Amino acid sequence: KAGVTQTPRYLIKTRGQQVTLSCSPISGHRSVSWYQQTPGQGLQFLFEYFSETQRNKGNFPGRFSGRQFSNSRSEMNVSTLELGDSALYLCASSKERGRDEQFFGPGTRLTVL
Amino acid sequence: QQQVKQSPQSLIVQKGGISIINCAYENTAFDYFPWYQQFPGKGPALLIAIRPDVSEKKEGRFTISFNKSAKQFSLHIMDSQPGDSATYFCAAGRSQGNLIFGKGTKLSVKP
Repeated sequence: KAGVTQTPRYLIKTRGQQVTLSCSPISGHRSVSWYQQTPGQGLQFLFEYFSETQRNKGNFPGRFSGRQFSNSRSEMNVSTLELGDSALYLCASSKERGRDEQFFGPGTRLTVL
Repeated sequence: QQQVKQSPQSLIVQKGGISIINCAYENTAFDYFPWYQQFPGKGPALLIAIRPDVSEKKEGRFTISFNKSAKQFSLHIMDSQPGDSATYFCAAGRSQGNLIFGKGTKLSVKP
């Protein structure tokens, strides 16, 4: 069974640009959550999608947005990139909402110059 | 109320020793407490998880101890091995809610 896949794995952007990251959950998983991981702040929750609807949102500015498609694949978008957005962006999927085990992907390493 | 405090930040243990990592939470509504293990270049992987209706859960060399009244839980790694060297994260959450993660503990097991 294939795991969670994230593309691209690495990305370099400059300030002011926008970026789109993609996540394909494990087959049959309907919930997708996104996290930002930095050395200073650790793992911080961005948002959760289930059945194409955002169910939970973390404390991030509106520049961070996401969506989920009918096949459960998800994308997150960051507009007007700032230096502080440099981080590892992790996607996690689970079968349903609630306390099902979350399986993480390898992440997308975003560097903003 | 949403914080999860994890200690220590880093830990060095000899091979065969016991590694202990502690976490404390504030929100009494939390009802799910997982531990994740992360190797460099990889995403976190679920190691073991506990719910507040039990005080201890053991899976192989890994044990979670849970103290509901103190709002604390800890991970014990028995017979620590060099392959256990990784960063460990505790987390807490409630049904239909997101997980709140601790800042992580970097474990090094010396041969």
